[in-house]
Amino acid sequence: GAVVSQHPSRVICKSGTSVKIECRSLDFQATTMFWYRQFPKKSLMLMATSNEGSKATYEQGVEKDKFLINHASLTLSTLTVTSAHPEDSSFYICSAPPPSGEETQYFGPGTRLLVL
Amino acid sequence: QKEVEQNSGPLSVPEGAIASLNCTYSDRVSQSFFWYRQYSGKSPELIMSIYSNGDKEDGRFTAQLNKASQYVSLLIRDSQPSDSATYLCAVLSGPDSWGKFQFGAGTQVVVTP
Repeated sequence: GAVVSQHPSRVICKSGTSVKIECRSLDFQATTMFWYRQFPKKSLMLMATSNEGSKATYEQGVEKDKFLINHASLTLSTLTVTSAHPEDSSFYICSAPPPSGEETQYFGPGTRLLVL
Repeated sequence: QKEVEQNSGPLSVPEGAIASLNCTYSDRVSQSFFWYRQYSGKSPELIMSIYSNGDKEDGRFTAQLNKASQYVSLLIRDSQPSDSATYLCAVLSGPDSWGKFQFGAGTQVVVTP
């Protein structure tokens, strides 16, 4: 089946630094990918829709200048958390729709970010 | 604001028993419904999808949908310790919301041997 990977799986950084998270569709092309964030014991919250070759679409309340999304190819989307602060510590998960056209999503394994 | 509500649990279920999970949603135009299982520290994995009123069975899992009551449920029969996880209800509202899941906060299930 289709697989979505994320890198890194875990990252610890100092406050004020930027962190880049990669999301790759391994055996299929994805013109659209989605980025979610999940705080402990909370639901996944959609942050933005990543569109290949065009600007990302951000959900209400998500700062586009803080969470930079680049979807440079049909298999890669990146999320950069700029000037990270401790409150940005969370579990970041990307997803991509399967090539079959089904409505479900394939989720990446997630990236746990800890900002000190 | 669209909402998806779940009982957070934990729901404690003896091994071999039936676990019953409930989910309600606020957006009447919601069309597609999904149950995901999430183990601690891992990303969600799809268990079932359901689109029409009624029951849908897949192995030990049965999803039930009642659009009039805006209610979707998941039954896990013959519960096993490996079923211990958090179960997320996810809803898609329609074509304009393609890919944009509204997730519930999840119900933690603990299957006790």
